Amino acid sequence: GQNIDQPTEMTATEGAIVQINCTYQTSGFNGLFWYQQHAGEAPTFLSYNVLDGLEEKGRFSSFLSRSKGYSYLLLKELQMKDSASYLCAVMDSNYQLIWGAGTKLIIKP
Amino acid sequence: NAGVTQTPKFRVLKTGQSMTLLCAQDMNHEYMYWYRQDPGMGLRLIHYSVGEGTTAKGEVPDGYNVSRLKKQNFLLGLESAAPSQTSVYFCASSSDSGGGQPQHFGDGTRLSIL
Repeated sequence: GQNIDQPTEMTATEGAIVQINCTYQTSGFNGLFWYQQHAGEAPTFLSYNVLDGLEEKGRFSSFLSRSKGYSYLLLKELQMKDSASYLCAVMDSNYQLIWGAGTKLIIKP
Repeated sequence: NAGVTQTPKFRVLKTGQSMTLLCAQDMNHEYMYWYRQDPGMGLRLIHYSVGEGTTAKGEVPDGYNVSRLKKQNFLLGLESAAPSQTSVYFCASSSDSGGGQPQHFGDGTRLSIL
């Protein structure tokens, strides 16, 4: 079966750094996406990784290791507006996205 | 900048009733998707379309039907609603299925079946 695992909930302090991990087992791999979803809103695209390594985009970075079936999203200089759920999704061999249940990130002042 | 628009935003149905959820995108995207999102679970694909006039089943298609008569619209139908179909439904679109093209989501339809 196909499986995406992420922690259910994480708490961090404003101004700090947090790393959200994602491990996956899928039938094939055609890239990994990270999305942000504020409560009651639509998911919005954050990052895409298809090759091993780190992709940096402002305060957000995403890392991929295909051999380990592992990715993380790194958020720096946390702001209160970063309180949201972060969704990891893997594109399988059929070019369909398999989604994790999401990690709810709580930012405390 | 409308992007992906879903109607209605909220709906309450009684068991056995039928309804259609509407999705419209103005980005000229070929690919469109319907997902449901339930607490503690990842988004699950119901049906998708790779172009006007085409539809295909996703992971959880039972109890739903879809149509894509026009490129910009993707309709999701519930023929006989059941309480298990209580969920938040998201429509999404993308320009391609691969190559890192992200899916763009509508704001969702919150559907309750009593």
